[in-house]
Amino acid sequence: RKEVEQDPGPFNVPEGATVAFNCTYSNSASQSFFWYRQDCRKEPKLLMSVYSSGNEDGRFTAQLNRASQYISLLIRDSKLSDSATYLCVAGGGGAQKLVFGQGTRLTINP
Amino acid sequence: GAVVSQHPSWVICKSGTSVKIECRSLDFQATTMFWYRQFPKQSLMLMATSNEGSKATYEQGVEKDKFLINHASLTLSTLTVTSAHPEDSSFYICSASWQGTYEQYFGPGTRLTVT
Repeated sequence: RKEVEQDPGPFNVPEGATVAFNCTYSNSASQSFFWYRQDCRKEPKLLMSVYSSGNEDGRFTAQLNRASQYISLLIRDSKLSDSATYLCVAGGGGAQKLVFGQGTRLTINP
Repeated sequence: GAVVSQHPSWVICKSGTSVKIECRSLDFQATTMFWYRQFPKQSLMLMATSNEGSKATYEQGVEKDKFLINHASLTLSTLTVTSAHPEDSSFYICSASWQGTYEQYFGPGTRLTVT
């Protein structure tokens, strides 16, 4: 079983739609969680950190459920520029290491 | 945000040669740098973690004698792929972090093609 699991997609949705991504992690010692965005042939870029209380940044909302070891990302009013691969990431268990999920590919259609 | 550069951005080399990739943190001191490899349509796989002034810690299955990592200063780490083979062709990405945080800032990556 992979340490961080995501639905690989691809997700194809129309512009303006709301999209939800889910992710589970298996290491209960994980302490920090992030969503990264990666465009084709580019490096990952930090989208947002994820906190137990939930956090929002504009159209993006992230949630963490430690009891279920589950992380989510919600994108509202999706834009064409949101097309990318979204990586669920867990950190913790020592040595500042991050473990990446396989990514979920999202395409927003006009 | 923190800026990390990588050089070269792409390289093509012949089988059997060695390639050095540099990773620099431009506006902060990186106590820890990480090297990842990403094959097409796959996620990032951590190869090794390096702390300034000490030996790198390699992930299971990564040959330390083939992938030489040096982290001589707080702003520079290098990865040398020795005796490269076509199966080493991949996207190599470094990231940098500072002590006490899990946030990592990624370089733009180096695309290596071994012919």
